[in-house]
Parts: sequence; structure tokens; C-alpha cells
Amino acid sequence: AQKITQTQPGMFVQEKEAVTLDCTYDTSDPSYGLFWYKQPSSGEMIFLIYQGSYDQQNATEGRYSLNFQKARKSANLVISASQLGDSAMYFCAMREQPSGNTPLVFGKGTRLSVIA
Amino acid sequence: DSGVTQTPKHLITATGQRVTLRCSPRSGDLSVYWYQQSLDQGLQFLIQYYNGEERAKGNILERFSAQQFPDLHSELNLSSLELGDSALYFCASSAHRVGGTGANVLTFGAGSRLTVL
Repeated sequence: AQKITQTQPGMFVQEKEAVTLDCTYDTSDPSYGLFWYKQPSSGEMIFLIYQGSYDQQNATEGRYSLNFQKARKSANLVISASQLGDSAMYFCAMREQPSGNTPLVFGKGTRLSVIA
Repeated sequence: DSGVTQTPKHLITATGQRVTLRCSPRSGDLSVYWYQQSLDQGLQFLIQYYNGEERAKGNILERFSAQQFPDLHSELNLSSLELGDSALYFCASSAHRVGGTGANVLTFGAGSRLTVL
């Protein structure tokens, strides 16, 4: 069965610094996708970045990058040059057969607080 | 605006009551997913519909049921409500594709916050 683990309940980072949010996963399917979502205090879920299991390069989207280490089954989110607006909950999620229509399985999330 | 519409945004009701949450997916999206987020918890998958048919079931209680209608909107029915059912209920639909293999990204609605008193 799929499993996502986020071991950091909360993180603090100074504004303009980089921060890494940890995510480990478990699956027996060789084809899977890893997703990160942001949930600000307003509650909506915002898609940030995606990494496929067969992707050769780590994904990047603006200030977000994904440190994908397949052998260690980790997919850590790196946020560079943190901004106050980055304060939010961050969820790692996984889906087997990512091009299909299967549900996402979410981790419990990490609450990031950016300090001025 | 994500394109996924959920109503109502907020709902307060009493234990033992029944409520219906409604979701309209993005135009053209055939899949609808329902998730429950309790206080300070991750999102728990409840149920998925694809083009009117139930596709996958997660940790959905027997007191809960859902359906997807021919116009693709979906309703989640919660009955015999308990205090522990208080949560944020999200609907999502399969949206744009990303990555080299065209992975489906779920786009979420703004959620329906249910408070059971």
C-alpha cells in the first residue's frame, strides 16, 4: 500500500533563506508520481510541483524544487529565498500510475512559518 | 478561482442531522474526488467517481454516501452526524497534465467547512 511520511510537524525559516521540507514514501509500483501542495491559512489547496518516478531530472518550478532521491524513497521540497507569504501547511502526496485517475495519498503535512 | 466549485462554504449543524455537500468539477473533468481534513490533519481520501461511476473508495464511513450525476456534479451526503465529523471537506477534479508522462494533477475546490455542535 502507498504511504507518505512527513516527519516535520513544524518548521521555521528566516525570510530570504532556503528551507527543505522532508517527505518519504513507500510503494511497490514502479510507476508513481509525487506532488506537493500548499495550504495557506485561507484553506485552499494549491498545487506546487510534480515529480514522476521515471523523470531523469529533479523538478523545478520557480522558487520550488524537488530533491528526488529514488533509492532513498525521498522527495523533499526545497523553497529558495523564502517569503512571508510562504507561511502555510505543505503536503506531500503520491499517486501510483500518475497518468491515470487514481486518488492521491497525502502525508500529514508540515507547517512552515517564515520569520521576518 | 480553481474552477472547482463547492457549496456551501460553511455549514453548522447539530449531532444526528444530515447534510449534503455539493461539488461541480472543472469543465470537462470526468473524475471527482472527495477528501476529509480534520483539525491539523492531512487529507483523508473518502471516495472517487469517474463519469458517474464509483471508481475508488477510501476511509468513508457507512453513514456517508456520495454520487455523481449525469452533468458530472457530485454530492456527498453525511448522515447521523457526530461531533467528530466536524472537518473541512474538499472536492477535487482531475485537471491539467504535467511532466513528461502527462501526470494528472488534482485541482481542489475551496472546501466546505462543516461544524457539528
